Amino acid sequence: GQQLNQSPQSMFIQEGEDVSMNCTSSSIFNTWLWYKQDPGEGPVLLIALYKAGELTSNGRLTAQFGITRKDSFLNISASIPSDVGIYFCAGQLPGAGNQFYFGTGTSLTVIP
Amino acid sequence: DTGVSQNPRHKITKRGQNVTFRCDPISEHNRLYWYRQTLGQGPEFLTYFQNEAQLEKSRLLSDRFSAERPKGSFSTLEIQRTEQGDSAMYLCASSLVKGTYNSPLHFGNGTRLTVT
Repeated sequence: GQQLNQSPQSMFIQEGEDVSMNCTSSSIFNTWLWYKQDPGEGPVLLIALYKAGELTSNGRLTAQFGITRKDSFLNISASIPSDVGIYFCAGQLPGAGNQFYFGTGTSLTVIP
Repeated sequence: DTGVSQNPRHKITKRGQNVTFRCDPISEHNRLYWYRQTLGQGPEFLTYFQNEAQLEKSRLLSDRFSAERPKGSFSTLEIQRTEQGDSAMYLCASSLVKGTYNSPLHFGNGTRLTVT
């Protein structure tokens, strides 16, 4: 299957700091999704991106669909303790049966 | 509608036994996906349905695995002769596809399978 490289693998930050993570692929995607997963729960959709260059916000979260269509970025501003969790990117290949490929996740720890 | 519902939440079984999981998607969604997730990894695609038709299956879906969506609503995933390597979280997701519109995947909380 497709490989999505997500970085960093883990982050330890102080409460109030901003966070940046990204996802890259060797293939072009036509949709990028960002999810957050808490232990023992399913992934919860944060942001969906459909066009190259698109910048979308959801509260303190902002995500961008890279111009090359091979990458995406997620930023979290002014982190709070409840931001703790694993963040996954997911991409959809054009015309490939519409399955979504997931990255390996970025584990975020926020230190109060 | 309360979202995608999966049951059971947890299943412990002995190696060699058969298990079946159920997924109830968001009611207006016509696509239903099954994913598998192991510790420290992202979800891996297994199969998906458009209404009742199973349109794609991953190589991960061995012949011991079978999925059905008989009436285009709920789906079941059965694993026969379970092996310890089948231990994982099995996630179901649904989406709505209408013309060129394809909604994002919405996931259930998964079924955690432990094979002893």
